[in-house]
Parts: sequence; structure tokens; C-alpha cells
Amino acid sequence: QVHLVESGGGVVQPGRSLRLSCAASGFSFSAYGMHWVRQAPGKGLEWVAVISYDGTNKYYAESVKGRFTISRDNSKNTLYLEMNSLRPEDTAVYYCAKDGWKAAPVSYYFDYWGQGTLVTASS
Amino acid sequence: DIQMTQSPSTLSASVGDRVTITCRASQSVSTWLAWYQQKPGKGPKLLIHTASNLESGVPSRFSGSGSGTEFTLTVSSLQPDDFATYYCQQYNNFSTFGQGTKLDIK
Repeated sequence: QVHLVESGGGVVQPGRSLRLSCAASGFSFSAYGMHWVRQAPGKGLEWVAVISYDGTNKYYAESVKGRFTISRDNSKNTLYLEMNSLRPEDTAVYYCAKDGWKAAPVSYYFDYWGQGTLVTASS
Repeated sequence: DIQMTQSPSTLSASVGDRVTITCRASQSVSTWLAWYQQKPGKGPKLLIHTASNLESGVPSRFSGSGSGTEFTLTVSSLQPDDFATYYCQQYNNFSTFGQGTKLDIK
């Protein structure tokens, strides 16, 4: 079955960087767009970024544009999120999520989610 | 940006009750609307996509309806496993979520 496992979260000072990873299994990873979605403590869900199945197209929420970079390695079935210039308001659980449509275009609904990894930007 | 507003924010109900959650969009999203269930410490689970299409494996007591700007999620007969937080999400223009509806035991 589909399995998504995030890693790389932790406590980081504001202004510093962190890279998250998401290991995927149980489906043809290279055939699906992938997303990052975050949830601040006790709050709702916020879509962060998407990457197409082949990595050629990437889109970001305005709140992270220019600071975060999404990427993927289809040979390793792994999704990444490079987060730079972290701010206290970036503190959240970060989920990777599989897009609901195969190949292109991405649908922007999410049929499988990981368990999440907590990022805390605090001094 | 398209804003999504859910009501109520909290809903208290009993096992066996029929409950309905409403989601309103600030502009039309056609039927590009999904519903998710989230339990504490877990990632969300997809219940319904395209407003009324039940995801494979989701019990038939869950149903969705609506189009344009107004949508509903109905649980026909609540089971103990259904007490959780529910989110709607539009994906007509990128993605935005409602603020969530916490369904708890009366």
C-alpha cells in the first residue's frame, strides 16, 4: 500500500535553513505530482508547494515563495523541501502528500498523506 | 485567493446521529472540492473528491454534495471512529482549506 514517511524536522533558529525529505513507497512515484502541506500547532492546513511528476513544474504558496524550494529524485522515490530564511511563523508539522491524478496536470487534491515532521523555528 | 469557510467550527453529536457540515467558497470552485478527516497526531485522510465522489475504502455513510460556492458533508449514522476534525478544500485554483470542523462526542 502507499506509504509516505517524512523526516528532517527539528528545532532551528530563525534565519537558518532546514531540508525535509519524504520517502515514498507502494506506488509509481515517478508518475505522480507531489505536494508539501503544513499545519501550525493547533491550526488548520496550508498548502505549501507542488512539483510535477517529472520535476519540470513547481509552484509555491506566496508565504514561502523565494525561500522554499521543492525538488524530487525519482530514482530514489524521494521528495524534498529545502527551507531557507526560516521564520517563527513557519513553525508547523510538514506533511508530504500524493496528488490525486496520474501524470499531468496535477489536481491539487491529495489522496495519501504522510504522518508529518515537526519544524520549529525559534531562538 | 479563494477563501473557504466551514460551519460549524465545533459540532457535538452522539453515535447514530446524522450530521452535516457546510463549506462555503468566496467564489465558484465548480465541483473541485474535497473533504478530509484528521485525527490527532495523524495526517489527514481523503474522504471525498470532486464534491461527491467517495474515495475507495471510505464507508458509504459519508456523502458529499454541492457545486459552485456551497457544499455539504453528511455522515448518515455516526460511528465511534468518526469523531475527528473535518476539513474542506478547494482545488479549482491551487489549493485552500477551510478552518476545520471538530466533531466531538456529546
